[in-house]
Amino acid sequence: GAVVSQHPSWVICKSGTSVKIECRSLDFQATTMFWYRQFPKQSLMLMATSNEGSKATYEQGVEKDKFLINHASLTLSTLTVTSAHPEDSSFYICSATGQGLSGANVLTFGAGSRLTVL
Amino acid sequence: GNSVTQMEGPVTLSEEAFLTINCTYTATGYPSLFWYVQYPGEGLQLLLKATKADDKGSNKGFEATYRKETTSFHLEKGSVQVSDSAVYFCAHRRYSSASKIIFGSGTRLSIRP
Repeated sequence: GAVVSQHPSWVICKSGTSVKIECRSLDFQATTMFWYRQFPKQSLMLMATSNEGSKATYEQGVEKDKFLINHASLTLSTLTVTSAHPEDSSFYICSATGQGLSGANVLTFGAGSRLTVL
Repeated sequence: GNSVTQMEGPVTLSEEAFLTINCTYTATGYPSLFWYVQYPGEGLQLLLKATKADDKGSNKGFEATYRKETTSFHLEKGSVQVSDSAVYFCAHRRYSSASKIIFGSGTRLSIRP
């Protein structure tokens, strides 16, 4: 079936540095990718929606200059947390939708990336 | 606004017990409803879905029925196994797969042997 790979799965960084998280669709072309943030024991909160080749659409309250999203190809989207601070520590999850090998629409989630900012 | 409310966890049951995880939603129009499962260390996986009123989604012994009158989509399983231990998320989505999904807060389920 369709697979979405996220990397890294866990990252620790110092406050003030930037961190990039990658989301790749391995066997399908992801026309749309979604980035979510999940706090402990809370729901997944949608941060932004990105379509390949165009600017991401951010949800209300999400700082687009803080969370840079790039979706330059049909198989890769990146989320960069700029000048990270401890309050940015969270679990970030991407999902991707597009046409699978069978031609059917798929919506698949990555395993998530845990960011810890010291 | 659009939201999903589900039963708070953690839920701990013995093997072969009956499971119910409640889920209610608020949405405009007629959304599609989903249950996702997240096993330890893995990404979210679609467990089952229903796209219109009175539809019943089922998979791996789990079932949920789209109840428009009560805006509910409760997850049930008649006899749980240790391998069912995971976090379960109820969710809804409007329109197509390119539309955003609204998730509930998740319910952690632990099954004792």
